[in-house]
Amino acid sequence: KAGVTQTPRYLIKTRGQQVTLSCSPISGHRSVSWYQQTPGQGLQFLFEYFSETQRNKGNFPGRFSGRQFSNSRSEMNVSTLELGDSALYLCASSSRDRNYNEQFFGPGTRLTVL
Amino acid sequence: SQKIEQNSEALNIQEGKTATLTCNYTNYSPAYLQWYRQDPGRGPVFLLLIRENEKEKRKERLKVTFDTTLKQSLFHITASQPADSATYLCALDDGSARQLTFGSGTQLTVLP
Repeated sequence: KAGVTQTPRYLIKTRGQQVTLSCSPISGHRSVSWYQQTPGQGLQFLFEYFSETQRNKGNFPGRFSGRQFSNSRSEMNVSTLELGDSALYLCASSSRDRNYNEQFFGPGTRLTVL
Repeated sequence: SQKIEQNSEALNIQEGKTATLTCNYTNYSPAYLQWYRQDPGRGPVFLLLIRENEKEKRKERLKVTFDTTLKQSLFHITASQPADSATYLCALDDGSARQLTFGSGTQLTVLP
């Protein structure tokens, strides 16, 4: 099976702009999670979607949002970008045929906010 | 609030030795504990999972222990190789299959 893919891989934006990141999960995986990774805070959970519904949300401001489509592909959006939003954004998918949450990560999108 | 600590930010060991990484947690009762490996510029890769009722799990040169009384997991790499150099992350899973909580990671360097 193909792995988790994320586009774009690199992105440079300026403060105040908005950005949309895309994630295609492993075929058959219906759960998609998003994480933000920074050197200072590590990997922090943003939100998780399953069958187009957001089931869980981390402690991030409302500028961070996401959605999932019927084919399980997911997008996350960050509006009114701030310098502190510069980070590696990771998407992970998992299968729901197990009761634990082994996650398969994509390569990430490196966002730089200038 | 939940807190996860991994023993040190960086760990250097000599090739062939056993690397031992520590993951401690507080204010949490995970159903599972997972270990991931992350190489620079790449997403984490799942290595091992251990359940709350398991004491030890092995996979090739990797061994994980889980002590729910001490709220601690130990991750061992035996006969370490330079290719094992990476950042290792522990993650707690409450069993809801909805969210993992990650530690900050330990950067392991295996010196030839």
